Amino acid sequence: SQQGEEDPQALSIQEGENATMNCSYKTSINNLQWYRQNSGRGLVHLILIRSNEREKHSGRLRVTLDTSKKSSSLLITASRAADTASYFCATLSNAGNMLTFGGGTRLMVKP
Amino acid sequence: EAQVTQNPRYLITVTGKKLTVTCSQNMNHEYMSWYRQDPGLGLRQIYYSMNVEVTDKGDVPEGYKVSRKEKRNFPLILESPSPNQTSLYFCASSPHGGVTEAFFGQGTRLTVV
Repeated sequence: SQQGEEDPQALSIQEGENATMNCSYKTSINNLQWYRQNSGRGLVHLILIRSNEREKHSGRLRVTLDTSKKSSSLLITASRAADTASYFCATLSNAGNMLTFGGGTRLMVKP
Repeated sequence: EAQVTQNPRYLITVTGKKLTVTCSQNMNHEYMSWYRQDPGLGLRQIYYSMNVEVTDKGDVPEGYKVSRKEKRNFPLILESPSPNQTSLYFCASSPHGGVTEAFFGQGTRLTVV
């Protein structure tokens, strides 16, 4: 079953603009993570936010978490062509044994 | 270099011919897992292992087997592959389940004809 649902499914922006992706999930979580995947390659971890945290920053990335709405957002500021990739949110169950991924957002950043 | 290594990267096989996809990690991670990725369905977990000799089913375990005899290796076995197992497969490892980040292999693209 898919725990997380990303929105939008696809996003196309110009270089320099900000990109915002949203993730909604269904059940209580231990933490929520965002991953990036370049076409057909393995996923790379970007950032993790714990269930008791509301916001986290890492470089040009900003993640928010609203556990009352069961949702998270990933903001990439000042996007670059190299940010073109698919982005996935993943939630860790409270039991801590399963990391469940959403369907992903395909981001295209045009030079 | 810390990494998760899958082999083979590409495989075309025929229905019913047993195959094994290997996965090895050099980070001494306790937790390992297998996912399949299909268009429109994202990544779905097949099996996971919390430690040596401990394995559990994920969301889509039917048609797959795994074993965890040693910490570094977690092979995925398809005893009798079928065309609906055509997919992109990823192995991942992490120190303690998903409490911290997961490290992914580069993927195995499997086609069953």
